[in-house]
Amino acid sequence: DGGITQSPKYLFRKEGQNVTLSCEQNLNHDAMYWYRQDPGQGLRLIYYSQIVNDFQKGDIAEGYSVSREKKESFPLTVTSAQKNPTAFYLCASSMGQRNEQFFGPGTRLTVL
Amino acid sequence: AQSVTQLDSQVPVFEEAPVELRCNYSSSVSVYLFWYVQYPNQGLQLLLKYLSGSTLVESINGFEAEFNKSQTSFHLRKPSVHISDTAEYFCAVSDLGNTGKLIFGQGTTLQVKP
Repeated sequence: DGGITQSPKYLFRKEGQNVTLSCEQNLNHDAMYWYRQDPGQGLRLIYYSQIVNDFQKGDIAEGYSVSREKKESFPLTVTSAQKNPTAFYLCASSMGQRNEQFFGPGTRLTVL
Repeated sequence: AQSVTQLDSQVPVFEEAPVELRCNYSSSVSVYLFWYVQYPNQGLQLLLKYLSGSTLVESINGFEAEFNKSQTSFHLRKPSVHISDTAEYFCAVSDLGNTGKLIFGQGTTLQVKP
C-alpha cells in the first residue's frame, strides 16, 4: 500500500537534546512538507522541499533543521534551540505544487 | 499574504441534524481550496477540494462545500450528521503559484451528540 509513514508515534526527550523525526513516503511524490500542530492554532509550516537536495523555510523554521537526500525521505530535527518543542508534528507530501497534500499519521513529541 | 479564518472553534450538533462549518479566506490571487478532517491523534485526510469548474464540490460521505468568490468563502455543509463525523475539520488555501504551500485555518471541532 502506498502512503506516508512517520515514526515514532510518541517521542519523549529531555530538554536540551536534539531529536530527529522520521518521514518516509512511497507515493513517488516530489514535494514534502513538515507542519507543527498546537491546540487552537491549526497547522503551521516548518519546512518544505519541492525536489531532492533542496528545501525552503516555512513560517516557523527557527530551531528546526531538515534534509532531503532521497526522494522518499524528509527527516526533521528538532534542535535544542527550539524554545517550545512539545507539539504534534505532521509530515505531508504531494505530487507537485498544484496537487493536494497527503498526510502521515503524525508524531507527538513531548519534551520533559 | 493569504489567510484563512474558520469562524467557529467548536460546533455542537445533534445526530441527524444539518451542520455548516464556516470558512473565509483572504487572497489577492486565485486559489485552490481544501477541507481536511482529522480524527483524534491521527493525521489529516482530504475531505474535498475546489480547483476549478463547478463551485459546488462533494465528498463521498455526504459533505459538500461551495466556493463563493464574491464572499471569499468555502463553507462545508452536511444535511444530516452521524456520530462518526465527530472530528476536527480544517479549511486550507493554496495559491496557484509555485510553492504548493497550504495555509490552514485554526480548525473547527464538530461534536455530534446522540
